[in-house]
Amino acid sequence: QKEVEQNSGPLSVPEGAIASLNCTYSDRGSQSFFWYRQYSGKSPELIMFIYSNGDKEDGRFTAQLNKASQYVSLLIRDSQPSDSATYLCAVNIGRSGGYQKVTFGIGTKLQVIP
Amino acid sequence: DARVTQTPRHKVTEMGQEVTMRCQPILGHNTVFWYRQTMMQGLELLAYFRNRAPLDDSGMPKDRFSAEMPDATLATLKIQPSEPRDSAVYFCASGLGDSFRGQFFGPGTRLTVL
Repeated sequence: QKEVEQNSGPLSVPEGAIASLNCTYSDRGSQSFFWYRQYSGKSPELIMFIYSNGDKEDGRFTAQLNKASQYVSLLIRDSQPSDSATYLCAVNIGRSGGYQKVTFGIGTKLQVIP
Repeated sequence: DARVTQTPRHKVTEMGQEVTMRCQPILGHNTVFWYRQTMMQGLELLAYFRNRAPLDDSGMPKDRFSAEMPDATLATLKIQPSEPRDSAVYFCASGLGDSFRGQFFGPGTRLTVL
């Protein structure tokens, strides 16, 4: 079982719709969760992080965390063609030696259709 | 405008040659990460430094890869000898502490080994 799982997509949504991106993780001790956006040919860019159960909103983006279900999601409201990118889920997983290591999912490709 | 810088941006070399990639983390960041990204494997962690000390290099092929931080402003990733299967985009990222607030990626080095 992979530590962080995402559907690679592509996920196609019409412009103006809500895009819902999902991610599951295997380590119950995970403490912090991140969403990165990566445009084709570019580097990943941090868009949100979340630590506590519930929702965290930032503009059109909402991150949702459910630790009991080991599930984190990203909602993008009023999707725009400029949101078309690959969205990477990342999870901080504890390691022996007292440090934490971020593990990335494979990423979900989002296509927003004008 | 603080950002991670990487050189070179592109590198084409022949099998068996040595390749050195360099990274300058964001000033003040004390953690540095090297990742490799391919279509098949996604983003894989190769090495992780905190305060210039290597914490985790378990993702790195030890026989041919080496990573160092000669000082706080420079991280290097070396491949010797290079092989065609090393062709990928190599990203450096930096952060604070255990990167609970996320990592910031450089533009990447696109390596092609012929």
